[in-house]
Amino acid sequence: DAKTTQPNSMESNEEEPVHLPCNHSTISGTDYIHWYRQLPSQGPEYVIHGLTSNVNNRMASLAIAEDRKSSTLILHRATLRDAAVYYCILRYGGSQGNLIFGKGTKLSVKP
Amino acid sequence: DSGVTQTPKHLITATGQRVTLRCSPRSGDLSVYWYQQSLDQGLQFLIQYYNGEERAKGNILERFSAQQFPDLHSELNLSSLELGDSALYFCASSLTTGGYGYTFGSGTRLTVV
Repeated sequence: DAKTTQPNSMESNEEEPVHLPCNHSTISGTDYIHWYRQLPSQGPEYVIHGLTSNVNNRMASLAIAEDRKSSTLILHRATLRDAAVYYCILRYGGSQGNLIFGKGTKLSVKP
Repeated sequence: DSGVTQTPKHLITATGQRVTLRCSPRSGDLSVYWYQQSLDQGLQFLIQYYNGEERAKGNILERFSAQQFPDLHSELNLSSLELGDSALYFCASSLTTGGYGYTFGSGTRLTVV
């Protein structure tokens, strides 16, 4: 599985948008970009995934660069409950490779 | 409640002992995955089962073994325990061998003293 690079930590204010970056310069054409998050004392939770086009769901949006070497997870209005570690993962073929977690970005949300 | 059930939630045992962690996947899911999370190593993939058969192995020690039963629940057996095995052990499940979304349980916290 190709490697991703994320900042160790980020801070946000409550009710403001948050943009979490992820670099994946060695991504291959068959790698899907997956995001998971892990709230304190809980197991990881699926957030969103995409291949080339931007994606939206009820939790977040995923913006993928045209060359696919980077992506950004967007939380439109951060809440205190969004404080978590966010993992950006490249997954071969969308569903064939196993999830290999890196260190992720620890997001803190200030009231 | 994610639908993936892990028991026990906490386990304290002595070095050299053997323990069994149990996971019931979400209803309908055929794949089960085991992960270990320690402070210094992060989330490490251990092993995957699909419909009773082993499908993939990650960084699983020889002292560890797992199986998936006909009713699809899975057990992770850890033997000859060492202090360094203290960690959170997560189970996840998905519908197929891959699955676009894994559903994780809330984990078993193992403390080896």
